[in-house]
Amino acid sequence: EAGVVQSPRYKIIEKKQPVAFWCNPISGHNTLYWYRQNLGQGPELLIRYENEEAVDDSQLPKDRFSAERLKGVDSTLKIQPAELGDSAVYLCASSLGLADQETQYFGPGTRLLVL
Amino acid sequence: GNSVTQMEGPVTLSEEAFLTINCTYTATGYPSLFWYVQYPGEGLQLLLKATKADDKGSNKGFEATYRKETTSFHLEKGSVQVSDSAVYFCALRTGANSKLTFGKGITLSVRP
Repeated sequence: EAGVVQSPRYKIIEKKQPVAFWCNPISGHNTLYWYRQNLGQGPELLIRYENEEAVDDSQLPKDRFSAERLKGVDSTLKIQPAELGDSAVYLCASSLGLADQETQYFGPGTRLLVL
Repeated sequence: GNSVTQMEGPVTLSEEAFLTINCTYTATGYPSLFWYVQYPGEGLQLLLKATKADDKGSNKGFEATYRKETTSFHLEKGSVQVSDSAVYFCALRTGANSKLTFGKGITLSVRP
């Protein structure tokens, strides 16, 4: 069984440029999460989807971040414009649903460097 | 709010040494507790979990016991291997709909 797929794995951009990250969850997983992991820290939740609905986006900086999960499968996280402080690893995770929320399966992450 | 505190790292051990990684937590309600591991170049993986007080989670020779009285969930292994070298994260979740709250993680290096 394929795991959570993320692309790109690495991205270097200049500040004020836009950037997008893509995630393909495990097949059949209804719940999808985006986390941000700053250097030396644990992951922090940005947004959680149940199918195509964003059910927890309280930690998403909405002035520059946006996310979508069309058709309740793949998801894209966008930053526009990027700032220096956005340099981090962006992790995508998925789980079967609320009942199985405990076991979240993580992708390898996208490492973003903003210059 | 919820928080997880892990001991400062990194930790370097010789192969076959005993491992303890401390984790304490602060939470409202009755959290479920987790250890996740991140091997070099890979994503986070669930290592073990415990959902109520006095439960012991175990996997791959690692163990952790949910201690409500000390609000702790320390990770232990009797004999570490080089392949255990990774970053270890303690985490908690309260309620069916709430998010995972992670500690800062600790890097373990095991030398032959």
